[in-house]
Amino acid sequence: KNEVEQSPQNLTAQEGEFITINCSYSVGISALHWLQQHPGGGIVSLFMLSSGKKKHGRLIATINIQEKHSSLHITASHPRDSAVYICAVRSADSNYQLIWGAGTKLIIKP
Amino acid sequence: GAVVSQHPSWVICKSGTSVKIECRSLDFQATTMFWYRQFPKQSLMLMATSNEGSKATYEQGVEKDKFLINHASLTLSTLTVTSAHPEDSSFYICSALRTGGLSPLHFGNGTRLTVT
Repeated sequence: KNEVEQSPQNLTAQEGEFITINCSYSVGISALHWLQQHPGGGIVSLFMLSSGKKKHGRLIATINIQEKHSSLHITASHPRDSAVYICAVRSADSNYQLIWGAGTKLIIKP
Repeated sequence: GAVVSQHPSWVICKSGTSVKIECRSLDFQATTMFWYRQFPKQSLMLMATSNEGSKATYEQGVEKDKFLINHASLTLSTLTVTSAHPEDSSFYICSALRTGGLSPLHFGNGTRLTVT
């Protein structure tokens, strides 16, 4: 079993839908990152979470440390949100060690 | 915001030649930089962790003599693919961690390497 599991692997939705991507992990962490990778390959760091909830525009990220689970939500989704969303956790044992989820490929249809 | 510049963004080289990829943190100091490769439709795979002033830590299965990493300053790490072969064709991307404390990751835009 992978230490970081993302679901779903693939998600196709219509423009305007509310999107949720989940990330579960099995190790102790100091932080969790949500990242976005566009088809061209570039990666953007969306959030870094240690607890609670963060919001940036139409994006919301939550984390439940006790349940070892995080969610990324996209409200009023738009075709430009189409990308691969990646969850990565920073191991509590090492500030530098990152454990990556496999990513969720999101397609938003107009 | 923090910016990581990766250069070149794409390169085509002949089999047997070496290619150097640079990763620079433009407005912050990065003690640690990470190098990844990504094959089409696959997730990022960590190749090595590069710490300024010391030898890089390579992941299992990554040949350190083939993928030379140098992190000579707090703002620059380089990855040299030596004696490149077509199977080295991939997307290489770096990320940088700001020195001190728990900080976000900052990524370069990646380098698409094609070896002919």
